[in-house]
Amino acid sequence: SQTIHQWPATLVQPVGSPLSLECTVEGTSNPNLYWYRQAAGRGLQLLFYSIGIDQISSEVPQNLSASRPQDRQFILSSKKLLLSDSGFYLCAFDRGLSYEQYFGPGTRLTVT
Amino acid sequence: AQTVTQSQPEMSVQEAETVTLSCTYDTSENNYYLFWYKQPPSRQMILVIRQEAYKQQNATENRFSVNFQKAAKSFSLKISDSQLGDTAMYFCASHDSNYQLIWGAGTKLIIKP
Repeated sequence: SQTIHQWPATLVQPVGSPLSLECTVEGTSNPNLYWYRQAAGRGLQLLFYSIGIDQISSEVPQNLSASRPQDRQFILSSKKLLLSDSGFYLCAFDRGLSYEQYFGPGTRLTVT
Repeated sequence: AQTVTQSQPEMSVQEAETVTLSCTYDTSENNYYLFWYKQPPSRQMILVIRQEAYKQQNATENRFSVNFQKAAKSFSLKISDSQLGDTAMYFCASHDSNYQLIWGAGTKLIIKP
């Protein structure tokens, strides 16, 4: 069965510090991968998606970036965090068949 | 562009009652998929049910069922015999042709004991 891991679960970082959030998928190959951000009590905002290694699309201009160094690994990064980067970050994947996405447990990021 | 609208920001019902959450969508696609996701207080996003647009039969998963009205572009979720564990945010989503899910704003459902 497929599983998706995401870490860390919680992160508190000062403004201006770098960020690296990691997501890995097991049990499937060549998944489509997604990074979302969710503000408290709000819906999901798609940040990045990737249909393959070196194929990453950005949906929202910001100081975040994404990379996919391996087929089942997706990383969200920032060189300098802003206060507005605080939120709940979710990684997801689908297999491109019926388009249902499966989510990791999320990372709660607080920028102070 | 596709849109998904959930017109009920919050709902509450007594345990064991039936509740229906509304969702409407707009798409120019002929074939598409629709989903309901549940996000409990843990914030883990969980797929509840999905519907393929070309299938006329409404999808059912145990206590969860949908009322899919393709002509009206409506996709409501019915929860029967509601339980305290059903308390969560519920999101409706549709798939477009660009690898993305289009998400509604969510409905907060509270099941009261």
